Amino acid sequence: AQSVTQLDSHVSVSEGTPVLLRCNYSSSYSPSLFWYVQHPNKGLQLLLKYTSAATLVKGINGFEAEFKKSETSFHLTKPSAHMSDAAEYFCVVSPSGGYNKLIFGAGTRLAVHP
Amino acid sequence: EAGVAQSPRYKIIEKRQSVAFWCNPISGHATLYWYQQILGQGPKLLIQFQNNGVVDDSQLPKDRFSAERLKGVDSTLKIQPAKLEDSAVYLCASSPIGNRGRNSPLHFGNGTRLTVT
Repeated sequence: AQSVTQLDSHVSVSEGTPVLLRCNYSSSYSPSLFWYVQHPNKGLQLLLKYTSAATLVKGINGFEAEFKKSETSFHLTKPSAHMSDAAEYFCVVSPSGGYNKLIFGAGTRLAVHP
Repeated sequence: EAGVAQSPRYKIIEKRQSVAFWCNPISGHATLYWYQQILGQGPKLLIQFQNNGVVDDSQLPKDRFSAERLKGVDSTLKIQPAKLEDSAVYLCASSPIGNRGRNSPLHFGNGTRLTVT
């Protein structure tokens, strides 16, 4: 069965410093992986998607993620945090390779301090 | 483009009562999803429709949950009777059919927060 594990439930950074949100996945074959963001009282928004093309995936708002098969990881990074990045981030895997039956991780809450 | 609309925004009920949630997807989106997000967890898929047919309801607790999508547009999700553990945010999402008949990225609504006391 496919699953994702987000290694940190909370991450706190200062504005202007790098962001690293960690995600490990479990899959018996090459998965499709996603990162979604959820701002307070807002709907979930797709940040980026990996589908077996380039291993470094660039998303919106300066975020990117690197697929590492040897480490079964798909960590999300951003060089410089902004106050508006404070939100809940979800690592997601798709068994079917598309957008059906997405399996979400438990989420990482990112706090950004001035 | 208008987003996915959900109502009500909040609902508080007592256990054993019934409740219904409504979702209006983005116009033209063939696929509609209902997700349940319990506090501290990621969303979990309850049911997926394509047009007015059910594609996947394997994780829907059918003894108390039901959903329909009349005419392939709006959808309602009902819980009867509610239990304490049903307290969660219920998210609706929709997506168009993309190239090669595959679904495209989901557009999520803001959700309905249900509290069962």
